[in-house]
Amino acid sequence: GIQVEQSPPDLILQEGANSTLRCNFSDSVNNLQWFHQNPWGQLINLFYIPSGTKQNGRLSATTVATERYSLLYISSSQTTDSGVYFCAVERNGGSQGNLIFGKGTKLSVKP
Amino acid sequence: DVKVTQSSRYLVKRTGEKVFLECVQDMDHENMFWYRQDPGLGLRLIYFSYDVKMKEKGDIPEGYSVSREKKERFSLILESASTNQTSMYLCASSLGNTIYFGEGSWLTVV
Repeated sequence: GIQVEQSPPDLILQEGANSTLRCNFSDSVNNLQWFHQNPWGQLINLFYIPSGTKQNGRLSATTVATERYSLLYISSSQTTDSGVYFCAVERNGGSQGNLIFGKGTKLSVKP
Repeated sequence: DVKVTQSSRYLVKRTGEKVFLECVQDMDHENMFWYRQDPGLGLRLIYFSYDVKMKEKGDIPEGYSVSREKKERFSLILESASTNQTSMYLCASSLGNTIYFGEGSWLTVV
C-alpha cells in the first residue's frame, strides 16, 4: 500500500518564526489532506490539496503530485499553532475519509 | 455547525470487558469511520461504513467489531478488551472531500 512519511517528527519554534513541514508519499494519489490536531485531541482539516498551491491566512500548502510530496508552510507562528500536523492520502480505490495517515509532525511554538 | 459527537471522552475498563464506543453525526453523511491513534504511529483505520448496516474492515480490525443500525450512529465494539487496545479512538464522517472528526475517546484497559 501507499506509504506516507512526514518530516521532521518534532519541531520547536519561537513565536514569530516560519516553518516548513514535509510529506512524502510513495505512489500517485487522488487526494491529499493536511490536518492539525490541537493539544486536546481535536483534528481539524486544514487543506484538501491533491495538487497545486493553496493559502489560508498564515498557512499555505503546496503539493507536487508528479514528485510525490507536499509541503505545509506556517508563517509568523503563534502559540496556538502548537499541536500535531498530519498529512493523509486517500487509499487507492477508497472513498473520501478512507485515509492513510503519516505519523505526524509535533510542533511546539514557544512564547 | 457540523458535529461529530463521541459519547465518552475518557474511559477505564478492565481486561475482558465488552466495551462500546458510540459516535453520532448530525450532518446526514453516508460515510463514517473509526480510527485509532497511538503515539508515533499516526491514525490507523479500524473499520468504516458507507451506508446503514454496511461495514468494511480497515487496516487493523482484529479485536474490534462495528454496528451501524442508523445512518447517524456508528458504534465501535471491543468484544473482550485487552491492554493493547489502550489508545485514543477517533470517529469521523465525510462528505465529498471533507472529513470531520469527533473529539476522541481515550480508552485505558487495565
